[in-house]
Amino acid sequence: QKEVEQNSGPLSVPEGAIASLNCTYSDRVSQSFFWYRQYSGKSPELIMSIYSNGDKEDGRFTAQLNKASQYVSLLIRDSQPSDSATYLCAVLGGGYQKVTFGTGTKLQVIP
Amino acid sequence: NAGVTQTPKFQVLKTGQSMTLQCAQDMNHNSMYWYRQDPGMGLRLIYYSASEGTTDKGEVPNGYNVSRLNKREFSLRLESAAPSQTSVYFCASRGTPKEAAFFGQGTRLTVV
Repeated sequence: QKEVEQNSGPLSVPEGAIASLNCTYSDRVSQSFFWYRQYSGKSPELIMSIYSNGDKEDGRFTAQLNKASQYVSLLIRDSQPSDSATYLCAVLGGGYQKVTFGTGTKLQVIP
Repeated sequence: NAGVTQTPKFQVLKTGQSMTLQCAQDMNHNSMYWYRQDPGMGLRLIYYSASEGTTDKGEVPNGYNVSRLNKREFSLRLESAAPSQTSVYFCASRGTPKEAAFFGQGTRLTVV
């Protein structure tokens, strides 16, 4: 079992719709959870961090964490073509040292 | 404020050649990381350094060595490059224990 799993996609949504991206992780003592956006040929860019169970909202982005289910998700409201990118889920392990990434989900927003 | 700076941005090596990828951060971060990214494989951790003077292996350390020269700099060395090491290499750094990692712009390495 991979430490961090994501559906590779592509996930296609129409412009203006809600995009829902999901991630599961295996390390029960993981402490911090992150979502990165990566455009083709560019480096990963942090868009959300979440540390405790529940929802965290930042503009059009909402991160959701459920530690009991070992599940973290990212919702993008009012999706725009500029949101088309690969979204990487990352998890900081219990030792506060290793940051492990999923393989990413490619999102395509159709105008 | 440059953040995380990697050099070079592009490099072509012949099989068996050696080279060092340089990384420097100006955010006073304790932890630094080297990842490689291959199509369909995501970001895989090669080595990391939790603090100055310490280094640890990640998921794919074979064929690589690292040096944490000081708090700012963390280099990655390929002693004898192989075609399997063709990849995009990212350096990242992290500050306080719970914080996210911030990435450099990457080095695209081709081994022929």
